[in-house]
Amino acid sequence: QSALTQPASVSGSPGQSIAISCTGTSSDVGSYEYVSWYQQHPGKAPKLMIYDVSNRPSGVSNRFSGSKSGNTASLTISGLQAEDEADYYCSSYTSSSTYVFGTGTKVTVL
Amino acid sequence: EVHLLESGGGLVQPGGSLRLSCAASGFTFTSYAMSWVRQAPGKGLEWVSAVTANGVSTFYADSVKGRFTISRDSSKNTLYLQMNSLRAEDTAVYYCTRGYLRDANPWGQGTLVIVSS
Repeated sequence: QSALTQPASVSGSPGQSIAISCTGTSSDVGSYEYVSWYQQHPGKAPKLMIYDVSNRPSGVSNRFSGSKSGNTASLTISGLQAEDEADYYCSSYTSSSTYVFGTGTKVTVL
Repeated sequence: EVHLLESGGGLVQPGGSLRLSCAASGFTFTSYAMSWVRQAPGKGLEWVSAVTANGVSTFYADSVKGRFTISRDSSKNTLYLQMNSLRAEDTAVYYCTRGYLRDANPWGQGTLVIVSS
C-alpha cells in the first residue's frame, strides 16, 4: 500500500488560511469516508484533529476543517496561528482492511 | 483522564525479538479497538497493526505481517506488540493509540526500538 501524497511543505502568515491536500486512490480515499488528520509537534505524539473526513474531536479548534472530493482530501486551517506550526499527516482506511498515512506536510507560520 | 503508557523498547540485534506493552487507563479498555503506529527517525508515520475491542480480529501492515503479533489482555488493560525477526528498518518510535486510525485518540508518548548490531 503506497503512502497518500501530501505536499512537503505549506506556509502562511498569521491570520491567513492554508489548505493541505492528501491524494490517494479509488482503493482508499476515494472509496471511504474514513479520512483523518493528525498534527504532530516536534518530539511529541500525534494528535487527532479531524476524523471521518470533516468531524472535529472535542477540544479541537473550529479553525480546523476537513473535506473530500474524489480521491483527494483536504485540511484547511483558517486564522493561522503560531501554535499551528507543526507536521500534519492524513490517513485513510483501505480496501485491504488496513490503514495508510500520507507523506506528511510541514506547516510553517511566517 | 485517558492515558496510554508504552514500554518495552530498547536496543536489539537484527533477527532478535522484543515485546512492547501499552498500559491503558481512564477508559473501558474492552470497549475500544487499539492500534500501533511507528515513526522511523526523521521520517513519517506508518500504521503497523490494529486489534478489535474483543481481541478476536487482528490487522497488519504488509511490512510486518508474519513477524509481528498484536494482542491484548483485558485483565491487565494492556495492549502488546510481539516483534520477531527484527530488521534494521523496524527501528522507530512505536506509539499505541486508542481506536482505529480512523479516529485514533489519544496516543501514548511512544517507546523507541533500535535494531542494530
